[in-house]
Amino acid sequence: AQRVTQPEKLLSVFKGAPVELKCNYSYSGSPELFWYVQYSRQRLQLLLRHISRESIKGFTADLNKGETSFHLKKPFAQEEDSAMYYCALRPLGGATNKLIFGTGTLLAVQP
Amino acid sequence: DTGVSQNPRHKITKRGQNVTFRCDPISEHNRLYWYRQTLGQGPEFLTYFQNEAQLEKSRLLSDRFSAERPKGSFSTLEIQRTEQGDSAMYLCASSRGIHEQYFGPGTRLTVT
Repeated sequence: AQRVTQPEKLLSVFKGAPVELKCNYSYSGSPELFWYVQYSRQRLQLLLRHISRESIKGFTADLNKGETSFHLKKPFAQEEDSAMYYCALRPLGGATNKLIFGTGTLLAVQP
Repeated sequence: DTGVSQNPRHKITKRGQNVTFRCDPISEHNRLYWYRQTLGQGPEFLTYFQNEAQLEKSRLLSDRFSAERPKGSFSTLEIQRTEQGDSAMYLCASSRGIHEQYFGPGTRLTVT
């Protein structure tokens, strides 16, 4: 079964603290993994994808195929990082490009 | 281009009524997707178009749901005989091939 699990519904940290949003996936093949973010009153938007291996707004994520994880990390949280974060999987080799999302983690960065 | 647009943004309807939502994708995006998001959940895939052809439908899409994309431009999602369980945010996204999906603001449906 194809599944994305985000175990934390809410993660609250103080400004300047490190952040790690957890994501585990279940998929028999080689997927493509993404992190999407939704700021308050804004639409869902792509934050980063594992194949690009880039850092966006200070966030990074490494695909660990052994642990089937794709955790999102940032060394120093900022208040403007407060948002809903969704991990998503796209099965590779499929024709649809459909995304399978986790349930999301609300990141709250306290001043 | 202002991105993916969806109308209406909010819809309140009584159980048993039919509703129709519209999605206008980013121009030149040949793929269009519909997702549904209920409270506390992530978006769930409903259906997908490549140009005007509907190529995949999720098992979530019951017979009461129908989607069209005439001429491969805008798309409509119709729900017939709405039920309270249909209350959700309906999201549309578009992409150029397998590239990044851009999401619209969503249509929030409330069935009373």
